[in-house]
Amino acid sequence: GAGVSQSPSNKVTEKGKDVELRCDPISGHTALYWYRQSLGQGLEFLIYFQGNSAPDKSGLPSDRFSAERTGGSVSTLTIQRTQQEDSAVYLCASSLTSGGAEEQFFGPGTRLTVL
Amino acid sequence: KQEVTQIPAALSVPEGENLVLNCSFTDSAIYNLQWFRQDPGKGLTSLLLIQSSQREQTSGRLNASLDKSSGRSTLYIAASQPGDSATYLCAEPAGNKLTFGGGTRVLVKP
Repeated sequence: GAGVSQSPSNKVTEKGKDVELRCDPISGHTALYWYRQSLGQGLEFLIYFQGNSAPDKSGLPSDRFSAERTGGSVSTLTIQRTQQEDSAVYLCASSLTSGGAEEQFFGPGTRLTVL
Repeated sequence: KQEVTQIPAALSVPEGENLVLNCSFTDSAIYNLQWFRQDPGKGLTSLLLIQSSQREQTSGRLNASLDKSSGRSTLYIAASQPGDSATYLCAEPAGNKLTFGGGTRVLVKP
């Protein structure tokens, strides 16, 4: 398919371990977003990439969270020293061009459970 | 600060009834508004994006309206079916991101 893909679909880890979540955006989309969906918190923005520009990291909740986007395509969200409050569904989205005003297309998400 | 609100949080209707889902926003200079559907354990599926210059947008049984002056968007789903059961979210752009409402969880009873 030509949609946004994410892997893994589910991840169970122990508190204190590091995890990496992957996102493959729609081919040709220059903008990529990460969001987190927690029970009781709704959907919250984490980070935004646009081409080769510096990413907008304003939504990252702590310095344990980081993300990269290599070659303007695939992105990896890394959470170091996971905590139980990091348990959530992590959603990736992409859009054709820059900015939140463009229609965003979402992947299926990665469900992270921290024990 | 932009806020997006969806009331009610949950809605149950019998099959065949029309669904009316509400979304309120505080930004009168809204650029566009996007409606999504989310099935349990799944990602978000984009349903409709309505530009600020439009008053409504239609796709099949779905119709979304936008009233900037009152700060409201409404998603109408005609002749609801059990397969329409899902959570419906609205979102508006805020800088480089979308700001989401809390969603309305819909159950269509056969």
